[in-house]
Amino acid sequence: DAGITQSPRHKVTETGTPVTLRCHQTENHRYMYWYRQDPGHGLRLIHYSYGVKDTDKGEVSDGYSVSRSKTEDFLLTLESATSSQTSVYFCAISEFSGSPTSYEQYFGPGTRLTVT
Amino acid sequence: AQSVTQLDSQVPVFEEAPVELRCNYSSSVSVYLFWYVQYPNQGLQLLLKYLSGSTLVKGINGFEAEFNKSQTSFHLRKPSVHISDTAEYFCAVSDRNNFNKFYFGSGTKLNVKP
Repeated sequence: DAGITQSPRHKVTETGTPVTLRCHQTENHRYMYWYRQDPGHGLRLIHYSYGVKDTDKGEVSDGYSVSRSKTEDFLLTLESATSSQTSVYFCAISEFSGSPTSYEQYFGPGTRLTVT
Repeated sequence: AQSVTQLDSQVPVFEEAPVELRCNYSSSVSVYLFWYVQYPNQGLQLLLKYLSGSTLVKGINGFEAEFNKSQTSFHLRKPSVHISDTAEYFCAVSDRNNFNKFYFGSGTKLNVKP
């Protein structure tokens, strides 16, 4: 199994509070991703990173920010949580060295966030 | 941006019966294709992937999928399912010009009945 951990695994927070989720990898992969999973929508990309301090928006980035100061850590921040951000959040990593043979995304165990 | 369609949100099937889970994608450019499985309260695990070469791809747990470029499809099949195959299955696509972005379908819940 790819070495990906997410913390916390479960969190309940109130509307309007800031929340930070952490993704940590031990694989030294260049690419890291944050997705949210909601019933009927599959996984939707929030933000991704293609290197330290290099990030870009995904399809559902409003209300979220990210930071990556080290290769192994990718943080997702909800500046002011809303009920619509209640979801399961997954971190993923990937590497692409030029040869596609081993190319895929590896997923963490997920964080269940409830905003009340 | 790509779009991925999994037409069946739920598929009930009896144990030992064959199953096909459908996936269609929008892009006409060259793509990489993936099927992931998610068991309850777990992350996603790769079942199989098509990167190039043979259009019939074999994966773990007896699953296989066939890439059909003309129909922009990548349907997942298993000739005989087990109770343990009960899970949600996600199709994903990335295009070769923007490979670091994956686009996922909405998922198909496979319910295998005894």
